[in-house]
Amino acid sequence: QKEVEQNSGPLSVPEGAIASLNCTYSDRGSQSFFWYRQYSGKSPELIMSIYSNGDKEDGRFTAQLNKASQYVSLLIRDSQPSDSATYLCAFYNAGNMLTFGGGTRLMVKP
Amino acid sequence: EAQVTQNPRYLITVTGKKLTVTCSQNMNHEYMSWYRQDPGLGLRQIYYSMNVEVTDKGDVPEGYKVSRKEKRNFPLILESPSPNQTSLYFCASSTSQNSYGYTFGSGTRLTVV
Repeated sequence: QKEVEQNSGPLSVPEGAIASLNCTYSDRGSQSFFWYRQYSGKSPELIMSIYSNGDKEDGRFTAQLNKASQYVSLLIRDSQPSDSATYLCAFYNAGNMLTFGGGTRLMVKP
Repeated sequence: EAQVTQNPRYLITVTGKKLTVTCSQNMNHEYMSWYRQDPGLGLRQIYYSMNVEVTDKGDVPEGYKVSRKEKRNFPLILESPSPNQTSLYFCASSTSQNSYGYTFGSGTRLTVV
């Protein structure tokens, strides 16, 4: 089993809709979780971090963490075409390495 | 401006010719790391360093070397590059606490022919 699992997509949503991205992880000891956005050919950019169970909101982005079920999700409200990118979830594993999922490609259609 | 700087951005080389990709950060970060990104395989960690003179293997260290003689620099060395090392490489840095994610450099696209 991979340490981090994401649906590769593409996830296609219309402009203005809510995009929901999900990620499951295997290491129950993980404390810190991150969402990165990566445009094609560019470097990953940190957009959200979450450490506690529940929701964390930042503008149009909401990260949700459920440690008991070992999943973390990212909601993007009022999706815009500029949100079209690959979204990577990541966490620190037991070996202290920041481990990434394969990413979900999001396409927001005008 | 706080940043991680990688050079070169693009590199085409021939099999067996030693090369070095430089990485420098100006944020006084303890942690630095190298990743490679390949289609379908995602980001995979090559090596990481928790501080000066402390380096550790990641998931895919074969064929690579690193050094951390200064806090700000973390070069990636390919002693004898092979075509299977053709990839997009990212250097990244972070503070010592695991509460923060990495800040990434702009990437180096390497082609080995």
